[in-house]
Amino acid sequence: ETGVTQSPTHLIKTRGQQVTLRCSSQSGHNTVSWYQQALGQGPQFIFQYYREEENGRGNFPPRFSGLQFPNYSSELNVNALELDDSALYLCASSLADRGSNEQFFGPGTRLTVL
Amino acid sequence: SQQGEEDPQALSIQEGENATMNCSYKTSINNLQWYRQNSGRGLVHLILIRSNEREKHSGRLRVTLDTSKKSSSLLITASRAADTASYFCATDALGSSASKIIFGSGTRLSIRP
Repeated sequence: ETGVTQSPTHLIKTRGQQVTLRCSSQSGHNTVSWYQQALGQGPQFIFQYYREEENGRGNFPPRFSGLQFPNYSSELNVNALELDDSALYLCASSLADRGSNEQFFGPGTRLTVL
Repeated sequence: SQQGEEDPQALSIQEGENATMNCSYKTSINNLQWYRQNSGRGLVHLILIRSNEREKHSGRLRVTLDTSKKSSSLLITASRAADTASYFCATDALGSSASKIIFGSGTRLSIRP
């Protein structure tokens, strides 16, 4: 158990809809990163939030957006869902000030887009 | 694009044998990490090795890093059924933000009883 929780566990949406995924960081961590993992692939970096501001973004379109709240919990929003958005979405929290990149992952949200 | 690439993509060994997985990456790094993932669930951090380290141990795990070859290896000794999982290396590019890491495509390890 890493102390990082994600909700919901599973989600089914249809193409064109919007979805919000949530992540609660491990206590004391100030950084949250989101990853998309397609079946049989490694996680792909979506973006990172540090102290409520975006701090790096991967190769994902603007319809992927996020928020980090004062308690360091986070949301990932995806608009205009496409079939290829079906994946496991992972969030990971870390303490950037420690100078280590060790990240603690949540169990993931499996999103299916029909 | 993937920074790290694991080799082999899949590995099946007998329980009790040693398992070796390799990772190659493209750019200079601050450190390299190995993670384990069971059945499409969250990733579990195994070990971190810094760019100025050459070898690190943790229990039955041994990680080596060769920055001149931009490669790393993960050795699991005396494998157990519970070691069946996918293993990923993850790197951060030198000069990147503190926690941005990039994963390889993984090695799927199966331990036969």
